[in-house]
Amino acid sequence: DVKVTQSSRYLVKRTGEKVFLECVQDMDHENMFWYRQDPGLGLRLIYFSYDVKMKEKGDIPEGYSVSREKKERFSLILESASTNQTSMYLCASRSGTGSTDTQYFGPGTRLTVL
Amino acid sequence: QQQVKQSPQSLIVQKGGISIINCAYENTAFDYFPWYQQFPGKGPALLIAIRPDVSEKKEGRFTISFNKSAKQFSLHIMDSQPGDSATYFCAASINLSNQGGKLIFGQGTELSVKP
Repeated sequence: DVKVTQSSRYLVKRTGEKVFLECVQDMDHENMFWYRQDPGLGLRLIYFSYDVKMKEKGDIPEGYSVSREKKERFSLILESASTNQTSMYLCASRSGTGSTDTQYFGPGTRLTVL
Repeated sequence: QQQVKQSPQSLIVQKGGISIINCAYENTAFDYFPWYQQFPGKGPALLIAIRPDVSEKKEGRFTISFNKSAKQFSLHIMDSQPGDSATYFCAASINLSNQGGKLIFGQGTELSVKP
């Protein structure tokens, strides 16, 4: 079974703090993704990575950065957290690059920024 | 043009009934249409998917109907059960030349099946 784990299930931070969300996958997948999930908006892609040290902006990258130093680990960084970044953050991984390849999701991190 | 519009936002169905969730898209470059199911406290997981050259795909109680000319597709859950209560997301996939496949998700439908 593919396993995607996220470092925290719940996180509470203050405005202006630097926040790190960690994601690890155990299936040697090339591609990894960060989404945020908000009610009524579905899942929106923040960043993705198709190889170590490679990254591409998704649809809503503003206020976020990412790091992928090892194949199995993909980190999302909020340089200076703001209240509008309160959300559920989902990490996913995918074995191939084709449009039909399945994305496997972690359980999510619910981040609250006060 | 890369949006996928999903409705309804929430749905309540009696046990044994049929649940129907609809999605519409604009971009004809989409080439794969998966549905993801998300239980509370879990991440989404692939439920069923269809390619645009097929009008229907059935897996157990779950069926995707696809209307290419109308650019619409829908998920039907037959004999709905309380265990089907979850949030459902439709999605459409597009191949980007230098980035591989990218999924565009609908807004999600929260399904509640009452016993």
